[in-house]
Amino acid sequence: GDQVEQSPSALSLHEGTGSALRCNFTTTMRAVQWFRKNSRGSLINLFYLASGTKENGRLKSAFDSKERYSTLHIRDAQLEDSGTYFCAAEASSNNRIFFGDGTQLVVKP
Amino acid sequence: NTKITQSPRYLILGRANKSLECEQHLGHNAMYWYKQSAEKPPELMFLYNLKQLIRNETVPSRFIPECPDSSKLLLHISAVDPEDSAVYFCASSPNNERLFFGHGTKLSVL
Repeated sequence: GDQVEQSPSALSLHEGTGSALRCNFTTTMRAVQWFRKNSRGSLINLFYLASGTKENGRLKSAFDSKERYSTLHIRDAQLEDSGTYFCAAEASSNNRIFFGDGTQLVVKP
Repeated sequence: NTKITQSPRYLILGRANKSLECEQHLGHNAMYWYKQSAEKPPELMFLYNLKQLIRNETVPSRFIPECPDSSKLLLHISAVDPEDSAVYFCASSPNNERLFFGHGTKLSVL
C-alpha cells in the first residue's frame, strides 16, 4: 500500500543462511505485525510490536516508530520458512491497519 | 489458529448464493472480513466492533456482512462474479489492535 513500502518483493535463500525484510512507513505507526502466509494459505502471526525488538527462535523483529520502519530478520533459514511474509502497521492518526505488498521467500536446499 | 474458525474451507460457486461463517473464541471486540487475491496483501472489506459496523470499505453490493453477536461474523454472497475468486479471511482483534486471522475460505467462481 501507499503507507507501507515492503522490501524485497522476492527473496531466495539457501538453507542455513539468513537475511532481513524491511517495511518503511510514510506516516507514524503505532504498532506493527508480521505474518507469514504458509503453503496451506493460512496467515500465521509472527510478531506484534509497539516498540523495540522481539525474538522468537530464528526470527527477530524490530520496530522504530520515530524512524518509521520495521525489520524482520531470519537466520539459519529452513525449508519450512518458505512463504509470503507481510508486515501490517497500525496508523497512529486513525488506527487503520495498512499492509505491505509482501515478500515471497523461497528457501532452497 | 483453532480459536478462530471459518467455514467452509473451500467453496466453488456458479452464480449461486452462499454464506461464509466465522466464529472467534478469543473474546475480542472487533471482527473483520478481508479478501486476499493471489499473493497480494489482504484487503479490508468490513470491520465490526461490538456488533457495530465501523468501516464499510468499497466492496460490491453483492457482499453483505452480518454480525449476529460479538463472536460471530457472516458474509453473504449473491450472484458471484469471477473477479470474486480469492481467499476470504475472517480476523479478530482486541480493541482494533493486533489481528488474529482464521484459516480462510477459498472461493472459486466457475
